[in-house]
Amino acid sequence: DAGITQSPRHKVTETGTPVTLRCHQTENHRYMYWYRQDPGHGLRLIHYSYGVKDTDKGEVSDGYSVSRSKTEDFLLTLESATSSQTSVYFCAISSGVGAYGYTFGSGTRLTVV
Amino acid sequence: GQQLNQSPQSMFIQEGEDVSMNCTSSSIFNTWLWYKQDPGEGPVLLIALYKAGELTSNGRLTAQFGITRKDSFLNISASIPSDVGIYFCAGQLDGQNFVFGPGTRLSVLP
Repeated sequence: DAGITQSPRHKVTETGTPVTLRCHQTENHRYMYWYRQDPGHGLRLIHYSYGVKDTDKGEVSDGYSVSRSKTEDFLLTLESATSSQTSVYFCAISSGVGAYGYTFGSGTRLTVV
Repeated sequence: GQQLNQSPQSMFIQEGEDVSMNCTSSSIFNTWLWYKQDPGEGPVLLIALYKAGELTSNGRLTAQFGITRKDSFLNISASIPSDVGIYFCAGQLDGQNFVFGPGTRLSVLP
């Protein structure tokens, strides 16, 4: 979707190294989310943000941290990457906690070797 | 936490056939969404449902919000090759984040 971009699209990193994924939106939406997608598990929420500097944990937050210093950017950091964090990561945005659903980015494929 | 189940997990159909899939939960929801994910892309919203019993169409797609509020159904009529992908359901209870199902992978054979 043109209003939300993720970078990088692909990354290979070594176990134990820090990794930061970026999500950038041009929609001025308040809510931003990070999900991971793994076979058999669908989309699982890692962290989300409901405003600048306001973030909260999702169901699979261990090993991840996030930051949101501007409305348009939501960063996901793996402090010390592990092989279990090999996954496809999706960012999503929403204008409100309500019936509008989420708009997803195109994803970042992360491989930890 | 809340969990959604989708069935079937995967399906292979012939082009032109109709498709039915469903999503069930042990919890009730106030909103149901259906998304489609093409290979290498993020999920895209297909249909949103806001009321129990509601039936909503989007072209060849029709989705229903189950009366019990614990399930939802998606039908695709006269399938075509570009229908290939993973279909996700998502449910929400007021004020909470959406919960996603594991997906149904659809393959269309020519």
